[in-house]
Amino acid sequence: QSVLTQPPSVSGAPGQRVTISCTGSSSNIGAGYDVHWYQQLPGTAPKLLIYGNTNRPSGVPDRFSGSKSGTSASLAISGLQPEDEASYYCQSYDSSLSAWVFGGGAKLTVL
Amino acid sequence: QITLKESGPTLVKPTQTLTLTCTFSGLSLSTSGVGVGWIRQSPGKALEWLALIYSVDDRRYSPSLKNRLTITKDTSKNQVVLTMTNMDPVDTATYYCVHSASGNWFDPWGQGTLVTVSS
Repeated sequence: QSVLTQPPSVSGAPGQRVTISCTGSSSNIGAGYDVHWYQQLPGTAPKLLIYGNTNRPSGVPDRFSGSKSGTSASLAISGLQPEDEASYYCQSYDSSLSAWVFGGGAKLTVL
Repeated sequence: QITLKESGPTLVKPTQTLTLTCTFSGLSLSTSGVGVGWIRQSPGKALEWLALIYSVDDRRYSPSLKNRLTITKDTSKNQVVLTMTNMDPVDTATYYCVHSASGNWFDPWGQGTLVTVSS
């Protein structure tokens, strides 16, 4: 059971927009800790996608965007492309655990 | 450009101790705020943070695994070593070495090394 809760799967057709939620609690996201997102393509290591809730590293398309509110955060992907098919993980810090924590991951299927 | 690469055994027996080495370039563990850590992923499962060491030799461990983990650094060799004692089949996973700036996000990641625990 992950500390951060994500839907196990999401799907969308090419060109559509999808969102992936990440729900935490008052000891992590709700305590003000930043949320970061990673993309893991099949058979590869995770790659940083969004950092500090809303920021994209160099090279990440602006189709990817992040937001945070209260005890939750969201990753939005617009203009879905087949190469976006991957697992997406959110990550934050938990003060009660004194540990960095991840969501369970959401597998995106592009129909 | 920061790169990290994991090395170590691919197969360990139950109860044995696992030793993994992360060799990195493009960063210095002598620089304030720089951290290198380990994250694992069991087959088909989510990511799990294990340990992190900072330049000031501050060490952080997953509370659920703290009693089994030790993380050390060799600044002169640009290496970080993770040891995990009393390995069990449930510890079968891909182990990733990661860089963390000031203990926030993890970037980049090493390619990962798959460790199987089996007799």
